[in-house]
Amino acid sequence: QSALTQPASVSGSPGQSITISCTGTSSDVGNYNFVSWYQQHPGKVPKLMIFDVSHRPSGVSNRFSGSKSGTTASLTISGLQAEDEAHYYCSSYSSYNSPLVFGGGTKLTVL
Amino acid sequence: QVTLKESGPALVKPTQTLTLTCSLSGFSLSTNGMRVSWIRQPPGKALEWLARIDWDDAKFYSTSLESRLTISKDTSKNQVVLTMTNMDPVDTATYYCARSTTAIMYGMEVWGQGTTVTVSS
Repeated sequence: QSALTQPASVSGSPGQSITISCTGTSSDVGNYNFVSWYQQHPGKVPKLMIFDVSHRPSGVSNRFSGSKSGTTASLTISGLQAEDEAHYYCSSYSSYNSPLVFGGGTKLTVL
Repeated sequence: QVTLKESGPALVKPTQTLTLTCSLSGFSLSTNGMRVSWIRQPPGKALEWLARIDWDDAKFYSTSLESRLTISKDTSKNQVVLTMTNMDPVDTATYYCARSTTAIMYGMEVWGQGTTVTVSS
């Protein structure tokens, strides 16, 4: 059982926007702005898409954005494209257990 | 170009100790701010963070696996080594090493390709 809770799957049509949630606690997401998001295509290595809640590494499309409210972080992908179909994982610093915890992952299907 | 490459046995027997090596290129773990973590992913399952070692030799472990893990660095070889004792079939996974820095403290921006480890007798 993962420390952070994500929906198992989300879907959207090309051009639409989708949001993936990542729910934690006051020991992680709620009190620290160290939430990251990773994209992983099948058989590939995870890729950092968002760090520190809302910052994009160089080279990541601005269609990807992150936010946080209370103990829930969110990843929004606008203008969905077929290439966005992948698994997405959130992670956060945690003061309770391990210094870093992951969510269970969300499969994004582009219809 | 910053790269990381994992190496180790593809198959280990239950109760054995696993030793994995992460070879670093394009940066040195002795440089201020550098950090290397190990993460694993069982087939079809989620990522799980295991351990991290920093440039100043600070070490951090997953609470649930701490008793079985040891992370270390060999600066002269520019490598990070992870050992996991008492391996079990549930430890079958792809093991990744990844770099983070104090600029992006808890985001890992460069990952190795991963090495697959199967635990079976």
